[in-house]
Amino acid sequence: DVKVTQSSRYLVKRTGEKVFLECVQDMDHENMFWYRQDPGLGLRLIYFSYDVKMKEKGDIPEGYSVSREKKERFSLILESASTNQTSMYLCASSYWDPGRNTEAFFGQGTRLTVV
Amino acid sequence: AQRVTQPEKLLSVFKGAPVELKCNYSYSGSPELFWYVQYSRQRLQLLLRHISRESIKGFTADLNKGETSFHLKKPFAQEEDSAMYYCALSRRSSNTGKLIFGQGTTLQVKP
Repeated sequence: DVKVTQSSRYLVKRTGEKVFLECVQDMDHENMFWYRQDPGLGLRLIYFSYDVKMKEKGDIPEGYSVSREKKERFSLILESASTNQTSMYLCASSYWDPGRNTEAFFGQGTRLTVV
Repeated sequence: AQRVTQPEKLLSVFKGAPVELKCNYSYSGSPELFWYVQYSRQRLQLLLRHISRESIKGFTADLNKGETSFHLKKPFAQEEDSAMYYCALSRRSSNTGKLIFGQGTTLQVKP
């Protein structure tokens, strides 16, 4: 059973704080993703990584950075949290298969509130 | 522009009624289409993908390239089908697995 675990279910942070969201997967997946989920907007890709230390910007990378030092762990960093980053954040992972899309497995989500 | 559109925020039906959740897409290449589902207090998970051409939990979806649609259908809704449904798109044969999601449709099945 694939497990994608996000370190926190709920977080409350102050404006201007540096925030770390952690995600760990236990299936040796190459691909990892960070999405934010907002009502009426669906899921939007922030960043993804296809290998250790490799990353690519998604559709809404502004205000975020990521780190992937180990294959199983993918961190999302809010350098200086702002109220418009209040959202549900979803981490996902999938394995790499040449020429084929593979199923994405999602974490349980972290609801971040910036006050 | 690559885009997935789910025109209905909420679809409410009675148990036993047919269900159709609409999904339209805009994509310049060869897409692969998916439906993901999130039940209350559960993780988002894959429901089905067009390449598999399978029926999952009684749901089917056919890719209509002419109409650029991938509507999700079930002939007889059950209460346990109540959930948030997302249509998603990826470039066919992409190995990155990047997905473009629609806005989501909440399906409410009333007893």
